[in-house]
Amino acid sequence: GAGVSQSPSNKVTEKGKDVELRCDPISGHTALYWYRQSLGQGLEFLIYFQGNSAPDKSGLPSDRFSAERTGGSVSTLTIQRTQQEDSAVYLCASSLAVQETQYFGPGTRLLVL
Amino acid sequence: GNSVTQMEGPVTLSEEAFLTINCTYTATGYPSLFWYVQYPGEGLQLLLKATKADDKGSNKGFEATYRKETTSFHLEKGSVQVSDSAVYFCALRNSGGSNYKLTFGKGTLLTVNP
Repeated sequence: GAGVSQSPSNKVTEKGKDVELRCDPISGHTALYWYRQSLGQGLEFLIYFQGNSAPDKSGLPSDRFSAERTGGSVSTLTIQRTQQEDSAVYLCASSLAVQETQYFGPGTRLLVL
Repeated sequence: GNSVTQMEGPVTLSEEAFLTINCTYTATGYPSLFWYVQYPGEGLQLLLKATKADDKGSNKGFEATYRKETTSFHLEKGSVQVSDSAVYFCALRNSGGSNYKLTFGKGTLLTVNP
């Protein structure tokens, strides 16, 4: 079956612009997660959704970052006024339920010039 | 807080060599432990997992045993292949609060030469 998909696969933007990253989880998966993979910090947890609600946003690095999930399916991670330190690979994962195995998408590689 | 420490790479081996990648962890409660693998140009894939002490996870010839007494989950393979070249991540997930997020090690790059 289809796995987790993310779009775009690559995004180059200028400092100060806003970007939206999309994640399509595996159908039927109720839990959805965003992580960031960067050279300096490794893999970091950003936010998690159970259905459409986000019980834990503590990993979001600043208030320029926000995420939403609609219809218990697709999620969008938005970064406003991008900075060069936002350059990273943004990974989305989903799981059938909270403590089930997390399946990762291929990631969106973001480069802020 | 939770943390995972894994041996720094890169690790370079010849085909059919024995592989060990060390991983130790710090966590409250009784975490589940994972090894994920990232092949070149691909996303993270679950390689194996163990959910309680003394469990052994295994897949594709790789093994790791959950050792509570040494807080370790070392990855081993008896005979590596060129196709095993990838980055390997050790991770944990708590059993109590924050039982939804994975905490990862920094990753270990493995290169296997023919």
